[in-house]
Amino acid sequence: GENVEQHPSTLSVQEGDSAVIKCTYSDSASNYFPWYKQELGKRPQLIIDIRSNVGEKKDQRIAVTLNKTAKHFSLHITETQPEDSAVYFCAASIGDYKLSFGAGTTVTVRA
Amino acid sequence: NAGVMQNPRHLVRRRGQEARLRCSPMKGHSHVYWYRQLPEEGLKFMVYLQKENIIDESGMPKERFSAEFPKEGPSILRIQQVVRGDSAAYFCASSPEQGLGQPQHFGDGTRLSIL
Repeated sequence: GENVEQHPSTLSVQEGDSAVIKCTYSDSASNYFPWYKQELGKRPQLIIDIRSNVGEKKDQRIAVTLNKTAKHFSLHITETQPEDSAVYFCAASIGDYKLSFGAGTTVTVRA
Repeated sequence: NAGVMQNPRHLVRRRGQEARLRCSPMKGHSHVYWYRQLPEEGLKFMVYLQKENIIDESGMPKERFSAEFPKEGPSILRIQQVVRGDSAAYFCASSPEQGLGQPQHFGDGTRLSIL
């Protein structure tokens, strides 16, 4: 089955700096890669997603890149703000509907 | 448009009791997914249902766990004879169609604690 590895497990950045989270996946058939943000005690919220026919996607301060050959994808957050502090999960599709999630990255933005 | 609704938000059960977790998908969504999240871990797929059909239950434990999504009413995740290891957050997600053409949207989860 699909195995998604996510690094780092924790990330502390100074406000205004950039944060980068990297994920690798094992199933070459995966074609959909969402990223979720989860604040403490709350629901995972979709923040950005990318499909395998696209190499990069950007939404304001958030961008995702995908390297299908290497089977890895990354989340980039620029100009970080305290409200960006949360746990971030990457995921890769398995078949038509399943998602396999990474273990999460706890991001702390220092004021 | 109301989001995915889960209840209860918190559920406490003693060992051996039954736990029932409910999930109402977003309006217009007919696909429901259940995930389990242990502390400081990612989400693990449990089961995927459409109305009156279990499509994939490969992530469900073989015993004590069952799920349904009836024609009318919410999807139910049932855990019989709960044990301490069942303590976790259980999240439901819904999507309007298969093929991940639309993303999965999550509810607030049910935090199950077993005494």
